[in-house]
Amino acid sequence: ETGVTQTPRHLVMGMTNKKSLKCEQHLGHNAMYWYKQSAKKPLELMFVYSLEERVENNSVPSRFSPECPNSSHLFLHLHTLQPEDSALYLCASSQDLGQLGMNTEAFFGQGTRLTVV
Amino acid sequence: GQNIDQPTEMTATEGAIVQINCTYQTSGFNGLFWYQQHAGEAPTFLSYNVLDGLEEKGRFSSFLSRSKGYSYLLLKELQMKDSASYLCAVRDEGGGATNKLIFGTGTLLAVQP
Repeated sequence: ETGVTQTPRHLVMGMTNKKSLKCEQHLGHNAMYWYKQSAKKPLELMFVYSLEERVENNSVPSRFSPECPNSSHLFLHLHTLQPEDSALYLCASSQDLGQLGMNTEAFFGQGTRLTVV
Repeated sequence: GQNIDQPTEMTATEGAIVQINCTYQTSGFNGLFWYQQHAGEAPTFLSYNVLDGLEEKGRFSSFLSRSKGYSYLLLKELQMKDSASYLCAVRDEGGGATNKLIFGTGTLLAVQP
């Protein structure tokens, strides 16, 4: 149990479908993140939320739409995806955004393995 | 630009010592993290360095040289369960105190009997 739970674990969707990924953290953290992990590529930061406010949007296509209704929940809404969007989508949380020189480690969920067909 | 380099794969023998290197070039620096990720599982935190030197935690140690843009993770007394991907990540203080982690591609370590 990592304290960060993601559902579903696996998702197969067509290019015209709409689906949502869910993330829930039970750690009392104030910051939450979405990362994309593709084979042979580094983890890519997609979105950052702090106290339910989006503070970072890393040039992500609009077919990915995040939502943070409260500090414990984070969603990633998906629509009209492309096959190249197939990847592992990881959610993470941390106590805060990180102070200079302080270890603010991120806790990751197990991810949603997304396949777009 | 932002760049984190680490070897793609390494192989080592059970009971031995292995060193995984990481070099980085980032616009800012606010700490370096190492994470372990077993196949199909979440990355888990191993270590954090923000000052130069060696941090030891049991069988794992991590070293940082900020002037050289270099870190390594040292694993001693290797066990089969240490077979995993090891991710190096730099926290880039870009435009505010955001916990923006820039990751390398990870080093897949295979421990053999």
